[in-house]
Amino acid sequence: DAEITQSPRHKITETGRQVTLACHQTWNHNNMFWYRQDLGHGLRLIHYSYGVQDTNKGEVSDGYSVSRSNTEDLPLTLESAASSQTSVYFCASSESGTPYEQYFGPGTRLTVT
Amino acid sequence: AQTVTQSQPEMSVQEAETVTLSCTYDTSESDYYLFWYKQPPSRQMILVIRQEAYKQQNATENRFSVNFQKAAKSFSLKISDSQLGDAAMYFCAYRSENTGNQFYFGTGTSLTVIP
Repeated sequence: DAEITQSPRHKITETGRQVTLACHQTWNHNNMFWYRQDLGHGLRLIHYSYGVQDTNKGEVSDGYSVSRSNTEDLPLTLESAASSQTSVYFCASSESGTPYEQYFGPGTRLTVT
Repeated sequence: AQTVTQSQPEMSVQEAETVTLSCTYDTSESDYYLFWYKQPPSRQMILVIRQEAYKQQNATENRFSVNFQKAAKSFSLKISDSQLGDAAMYFCAYRSENTGNQFYFGTGTSLTVIP
């Protein structure tokens, strides 16, 4: 069965370190998204991609970057981790067109100490 | 950007009873899509139901149904015959027809089911 996976599921890192969260989907979807989930804020869009070599900034992109070298993967990089980036991160993918819903990965809980 | 508002941070319901979760949104568009996602303690986001704005008929999926009021920009979720497994965080989401595949999420409603 097709799926979307994230790794690691949990990570603790120190302030200032570079961190990369992996997202891999086997749906062959063109669209991929990264969100962060914080209490009281719901899910906020960090970056998204509509295809290989395409990346776009979302609502809360400062301090984050992504790259899309193939259809299956959209890694999220925290260039210099900050305590404010402690959060749960979700990757999602969707088919192009309407009304296609987004399929979500299981999430990564990141703690920056 | 579109705004999605869930004004009930927490709700509770007795098992087997019915509960309605509220969602309003702000948009100037006429074509769009609305979704309800469920997030149980496992954190996995699960699609519950979706509604196309051009459809007048309210969507239904088994015990889950919506009350879509386009003029009022309201999209509430009704859960009938509530079960313990319905306990979760519920998110309302908006997807534009015109601005690609981005979703806009509300802040969520935490539903407790009382045995």
